[in-house]
Amino acid sequence: DAGVTQSPTHLIKTRGQHVTLRCSPISGHKSVSWYQQVLGQGPQFIFQYYEKEERGRGNFPDRFSARQFPNYSSELNVNALLLGDSALYLCASSFLPGSSYNSPLHFGNGTRLTVT
Amino acid sequence: QQQVKQSPQSLIVQKGGISIINCAYENTAFDYFPWYQQFPGKGPALLIAIRPDVSEKKEGRFTISFNKSAKQFSLHIMDSQPGDSATYFCAEGGASGSRLTFGEGTQLTVNP
Repeated sequence: DAGVTQSPTHLIKTRGQHVTLRCSPISGHKSVSWYQQVLGQGPQFIFQYYEKEERGRGNFPDRFSARQFPNYSSELNVNALLLGDSALYLCASSFLPGSSYNSPLHFGNGTRLTVT
Repeated sequence: QQQVKQSPQSLIVQKGGISIINCAYENTAFDYFPWYQQFPGKGPALLIAIRPDVSEKKEGRFTISFNKSAKQFSLHIMDSQPGDSATYFCAEGGASGSRLTFGEGTQLTVNP
């Protein structure tokens, strides 16, 4: 069975540019969450979507946006990139909204974004 | 802000030894405490998880100990192997599907 797939795996962008990251959840999972992982730190929550509706948003600026499509795949968009946006962006999926004991989060391998 | 305090930051253990990683949480409303394992270039993978109504959970060489009164939980890796060398994250989550809040991670190195 395919796990959570993310594309691209690596990306280099210049300050001020826009980026779109893509995620396909595990088959049957209806919830997608996005996390940012800065080098040497734990993942930080950005967004959660369930059945195409936003269910939660972390402490990130409005430059960050996301959406979920009818096939449950998702996109994360970041506008006006800053150097500090350089990080590993992780997508995770679960059967139920968010993460719980009976419906844990399964992470993809992430997109490594470098902003120069 | 980090709501889960994880220690130590790094840990070196000899093969066959016991690795112990500790976490402390603040919000007693959380009822889901997973541990994730992350290898370089990979995403975090769920290792083991516990709910606060259980004091201990064991899966193979991995055990979570949970102390509700102290608001602490720990991961014990018995008979540590070089293949266990990775970064380990504790996390906390609430009921009915909330976000996970992660600790800052522990880089474990198991020497052969």
